Amino acid sequence: AQSVTQPDIHITVSEGASLELRCNYSYGATPYLFWYVQSPGQGLQLLLKYFSGDTLVQGIKGFEAEFKRSQSSFNLRKPSVHWSDAAEYFCAVAGMDSSYKLIFGSGTRLLVRP
Amino acid sequence: SQTIHQWPATLVQPVGSPLSLECTVEGTSNPNLYWYRQAAGRGLQLLFYSVGIGQISSEVPQNLSASRPQDRQFILSSKKLLLSDSGFYLCAWSRTVQETQYFGPGTRLLVL
Repeated sequence: AQSVTQPDIHITVSEGASLELRCNYSYGATPYLFWYVQSPGQGLQLLLKYFSGDTLVQGIKGFEAEFKRSQSSFNLRKPSVHWSDAAEYFCAVAGMDSSYKLIFGSGTRLLVRP
Repeated sequence: SQTIHQWPATLVQPVGSPLSLECTVEGTSNPNLYWYRQAAGRGLQLLFYSVGIGQISSEVPQNLSASRPQDRQFILSSKKLLLSDSGFYLCAWSRTVQETQYFGPGTRLLVL
């Protein structure tokens, strides 16, 4: 069955420090991969997505993610975190076949120390 | 550009009361529409999706239902709410089933 694992429930980093949020997926073929961000009480905003091509994808707000097929991972990175990045981050996978589903991980809450 | 609206933003309802949450999309036609629920401290769970007017598919058995009376309107309903229905309900749309889903602002439902 398809699944997405975000092993870190909470992560705390200092403002200006680098960030990496982990995401591992289980899927029988090459999936579509997404990272969404959710500010408290808000809907989800798409940060970036991977469908095919270059395995390093750039997103909004200075985020990037790298698709590593051998590790079934799609980790999100940012070189320098800003206080406004504090939010919850969700990794999601969708099938490239006729599947319609977005399967979400349980999320990682990012806290930023001043 | 496309926008997605959800109404109401927050709702407090007693157990056993009915529910109607509305989602509308502007700026596109024949979108795929989705209802997700996010329970406190958990990820998102797909409840329903629709590829066209009157076409609804359910992902999980529950006391909720969905309807699509118009091309860009998606409604989530219940005849009798349960405590376990509390959560954050998100509507999303996409152009096709394999394209990016864009989410609305959500409705926070508290059942007392």
